[in-house]
Amino acid sequence: TQLLEQSPQFLSIQEGENLTVYCNSSSVFSSLQWYRQEPGEGPVLLVTVVTGGEVKKLKRLTFQFGDARKDSSLHITAAQPGDTGLYLCAGVGRDDKIIFGKGTRLHILP
Amino acid sequence: GAGVSQSPRYKVAKRGQDVALRCDPISGHVSLFWYQQALGQGPEFLTYFQNEAQLDKSGLPSDRFFAERPEGSVSTLKIQRTQQEDSAVYLCASSFTDRGLGTLHFGNGTRLTVT
Repeated sequence: TQLLEQSPQFLSIQEGENLTVYCNSSSVFSSLQWYRQEPGEGPVLLVTVVTGGEVKKLKRLTFQFGDARKDSSLHITAAQPGDTGLYLCAGVGRDDKIIFGKGTRLHILP
Repeated sequence: GAGVSQSPRYKVAKRGQDVALRCDPISGHVSLFWYQQALGQGPEFLTYFQNEAQLDKSGLPSDRFFAERPEGSVSTLKIQRTQQEDSAVYLCASSFTDRGLGTLHFGNGTRLTVT
């Protein structure tokens, strides 16, 4: 069974601080995706990373895919209250099944 | 419509009742997924359709759960003889491509509460 473990589970920081959240697995994934979910809504795709070692930037968000394609990180610079939400990583595994981690619940304090 | 639509938005069922949850995917999307999301958890895969064919139902937790997509568009997730542990948000997602690198477009879910 392929699992994605996300850490930390919860994170509460002040506006303006930087943070990194992680998504780890013992399995290789052909690609990883990051989604953000707000209360009462479905997850919304932020980025897809495909190549080992790939780095993608989306404004203040930087996503990295590990060289071995087993892990990924999301770094947020100068966090803002609008970044508050549940951040989910999702992997496309061997059988093309898209599985999700349990998420990191991020709260940015103004 | 512009996005994935799910109905009802909320459903309260007494234990033992049957429920049917509907998903209207984005028009033209080939793939349709159902996920179950418990409070504070990530979505758990239930089942996957490519057009009208149910290619993967390995995530359905029991034979009380049944999903269909008879014409390759609208899908219904049916839960028979609901139990309290079925309480969760049920998310539907569709994708333009067959599964792989496609973007999943999620609906806002149906929150099921079994009393």
